[in-house]
Amino acid sequence: AQSVTQPDIHITVSEGASLELRCNYSYGATPYLFWYVQSPGQGLQLLLKYFSGDTLVQGIKGFEAEFKRSQSSFNLRKPSVHWSDAAEYFCAVGAGGTASKLTFGTGTRLQVTL
Amino acid sequence: DVKVTQSSRYLVKRTGEKVFLECVQDMDHENMFWYRQDPGLGLRLIYFSYDVKMKEKGDIPEGYSVSREKKERFSLILESASTNQTSMYLCASMDGWGNQPQHFGDGTRLSIL
Repeated sequence: AQSVTQPDIHITVSEGASLELRCNYSYGATPYLFWYVQSPGQGLQLLLKYFSGDTLVQGIKGFEAEFKRSQSSFNLRKPSVHWSDAAEYFCAVGAGGTASKLTFGTGTRLQVTL
Repeated sequence: DVKVTQSSRYLVKRTGEKVFLECVQDMDHENMFWYRQDPGLGLRLIYFSYDVKMKEKGDIPEGYSVSREKKERFSLILESASTNQTSMYLCASMDGWGNQPQHFGDGTRLSIL
């Protein structure tokens, strides 16, 4: 069975600083990978996804993520964080050739200081 | 844009009550899902449905049932609510079967007293 680890429960960065949120997955074949963001009191919004092809994927709101098969990682990055990026971020993996059975990480809460 | 609507944002019920959570999507998606979200546990899949009247158990189906009589609507039922079912419940829908993302509603925060 697949699994996802987000090792950082809580991260604080200053506005304008760069950001990297870590995600490690466990799955035997090439997975489908996702990053979602959840603002307080809201549902999950898709930031970006990886299915195949170019290992560097661009998403909304200036985010990008890089799939590294050798490290089983799919880290999320943003070069300059804005105060509105404060939220909880979830990495998810879909396996079995389908995105319908997602396994989510436990989330990383991002705090942005001004 | 896909719109997934959950009927209630906040709900308070009593132990032993039968509770219905409703979810409607407007994009004719085949697949619909119910998750619960708890601090430190992320999202866990309760049930999903890939077609009308079809359902499959997720990782934590105990104490829950679902109903999908129409393609656009997926209901989660707590047969006899208990305090350990106090949680945030999220509904999602997905087109097709494969490389499409899931789209989420805003969630229902359910409190069982």
